[in-house]
Amino acid sequence: EIVLTQSPGTLSISPGERATLSCRASQTVSSRFLAWYQQKPGQAPRLLIYGASNRAIGIPDRYSGSGSGTDFTLTISRLEPEDSAVYYCQQYGTSPWTFGQGTKVEIK
Amino acid sequence: QVQLQESGPGLVKPSETLSLTCTVSGGALTSYSWSWIRQPPGTRLEWIGNIYYSGSTTYNPSLKSRVTVSVDTSKNQFSLRLSSVTAADTAVYYCAREANPRRPGRFDLWGRGTLVTVSS
Repeated sequence: EIVLTQSPGTLSISPGERATLSCRASQTVSSRFLAWYQQKPGQAPRLLIYGASNRAIGIPDRYSGSGSGTDFTLTISRLEPEDSAVYYCQQYGTSPWTFGQGTKVEIK
Repeated sequence: QVQLQESGPGLVKPSETLSLTCTVSGGALTSYSWSWIRQPPGTRLEWIGNIYYSGSTTYNPSLKSRVTVSVDTSKNQFSLRLSSVTAADTAVYYCAREANPRRPGRFDLWGRGTLVTVSS
């Protein structure tokens, strides 16, 4: 199965700044079938990005995704307090679908 | 507005079978695939398996020998059975909708999750 490794483990950033989250795959993720989710404490994950760079319905344009092959990035520009959460990448190009271990974004 | 709700026992004894049901409200099961995903305490999410509304299933090989996912379109529900559970199966279990049945694996709608603890 494809193993996804996210970095950093924790990101502490001030409001208004940019957050850059990385997701590296152990094998090529076919056709850029890579998604990003946001999870807040006690809540289910929420789909942010799919197909590596497509925003899901209702997701603000502060969130953007990029990358291909084995290296992918989620960027949150102009960080807001409500962006405090754990962010997971997930590949759905090769079964079984797998998730990264998460990056926690803390707002200073 | 489509919503998903998991239900089932919160405590299961070791070696027994874990059974959960996901009820879909506000929309029909048809035309989508539906998945079970779990999250053990403090660790990453793990996809368990899915079912198309027609009944065809795909399972994670790591759990395949113990997992059964079924669907009841008349009740707008799908279910998970996981046999021979151990403490390692303690997790929050989520049901989720796959956004595109022609390209499964992208989860656009999730239930709130239910904690299942395996303990005697």
